[in-house]
Amino acid sequence: DQQVKQNSPSLSVQEGRISILNCDYTNSMFDYFLWYKKYPAEGPTFLISISSIKDKNEDGRFTVFLNKSAKHLSLHIVPSQPGDSAVYFCAASAFSGSARQLTFGSGTQLTVLP
Amino acid sequence: GAVVSQHPSWVICKSGTSVKIECRSLDFQATTMFWYRQFPKQSLMLMATSNEGSKATYEQGVEKDKFLINHASLTLSTLTVTSAHPEDSSFYICSAIRGNNEQFFGPGTRLTVL
Repeated sequence: DQQVKQNSPSLSVQEGRISILNCDYTNSMFDYFLWYKKYPAEGPTFLISISSIKDKNEDGRFTVFLNKSAKHLSLHIVPSQPGDSAVYFCAASAFSGSARQLTFGSGTQLTVLP
Repeated sequence: GAVVSQHPSWVICKSGTSVKIECRSLDFQATTMFWYRQFPKQSLMLMATSNEGSKATYEQGVEKDKFLINHASLTLSTLTVTSAHPEDSSFYICSAIRGNNEQFFGPGTRLTVL
């Protein structure tokens, strides 16, 4: 049973427009959420995160929104640039023992068209 | 940001042989490292949690006798795929925890078993 879901495997957006990537989760124990960007044959690179006590976090062109009641978060990229084209993974975090474990969604391939 | 390296980045081996993958935190000490596996166009699946000086904790469905993990120092964890078979071909990614549960990912290792 997938605890973190990204229902859109791909998204195409015109350069300059907004990209909205969505993520849903089921486990109420998750209290920290992250977005990663990944290129083929590379490890994920951290983009932005949000704690469950907040509903919005902004960093430059990237904004993450969290709706706890709906167990839904989204990543907004404005304006989108061709260099943003990559796979974006949503991850949810909870403590397991003494360390935080990440549970990843299946990823969304974003293509920004010039 | 912190740097995590993996070696080798790509390995091809014959069926039945064993392969060792190293994960190093280059500029920080990591008492906890994680090993993930990613199949093409799929999510990163957590395989195990590697704790320095103690036995690794494996996720359900991961064979601990097949995927041997050794975390002998605060900067090095190794994953050995024993008696590798073609179905073990995958992209293996490690991550290391720094300080306040920040998780940094390695660049990944592509394993191809012929």
